[in-house]
Amino acid sequence: DVKVTQSSRYLVKRTGEKVFLECVQDMDHENMFWYRQDPGLGLRLIYFSYDVKMKEKGDIPEGYSVSREKKERFSLILESASTNQTSMYLCASSPHRGPTYEQYFGPGTRLTVT
Amino acid sequence: SQQGEEDPQALSIQEGENATMNCSYKTSINNLQWYRQNSGRGLVHLILIRSNEREKHSGRLRVTLDTSKKSSSLLITASRAADTASYFCATEISGTYKYIFGTGTRLKVLA
Repeated sequence: DVKVTQSSRYLVKRTGEKVFLECVQDMDHENMFWYRQDPGLGLRLIYFSYDVKMKEKGDIPEGYSVSREKKERFSLILESASTNQTSMYLCASSPHRGPTYEQYFGPGTRLTVT
Repeated sequence: SQQGEEDPQALSIQEGENATMNCSYKTSINNLQWYRQNSGRGLVHLILIRSNEREKHSGRLRVTLDTSKKSSSLLITASRAADTASYFCATEISGTYKYIFGTGTRLKVLA
């Protein structure tokens, strides 16, 4: 079974802190994604990566950065956390090309910034 | 901006009834997928339909795709209380590995 794990289920941070959200997948997938999910807004893409050290901005990259030094790991960084970054963060992975292109999601990290 | 928009936003039905939710999108796609999310959890892939397909079935799920109208529908037949969840469509934009998700439909199936 494909497994996508995220470092924390719940996280509480203070305004101005640097926050690291880690995501690891075990299926050798090329693509990895970070989304945030807010009520009424669905999932919005923050960043994605289609290869090691490669990254592309999604729809809402402001205030975030990412790192992909190894194929299995994709990190989301909040350089200086703000209260409007309180959200559910979802990581996903998918193969470049395969029988299906489905994304496999982690369980999510609910981040609260106070 | 959001690529996919689903309607209705919320749907409440009795167990045994069929549930239909719709998704519209804006640009060319490689494929369209539907996902389910149980409360506060990650998303689970349900079904994928490619841009050259018009209809697909998987168990109690039936998906249609109309590329001329840029729309898709998901039908869940004989719904069960366990189908209570949020359902999202996602489109893979042509020429990219990028997926855009809709805002979701919250389905509640009453026992």
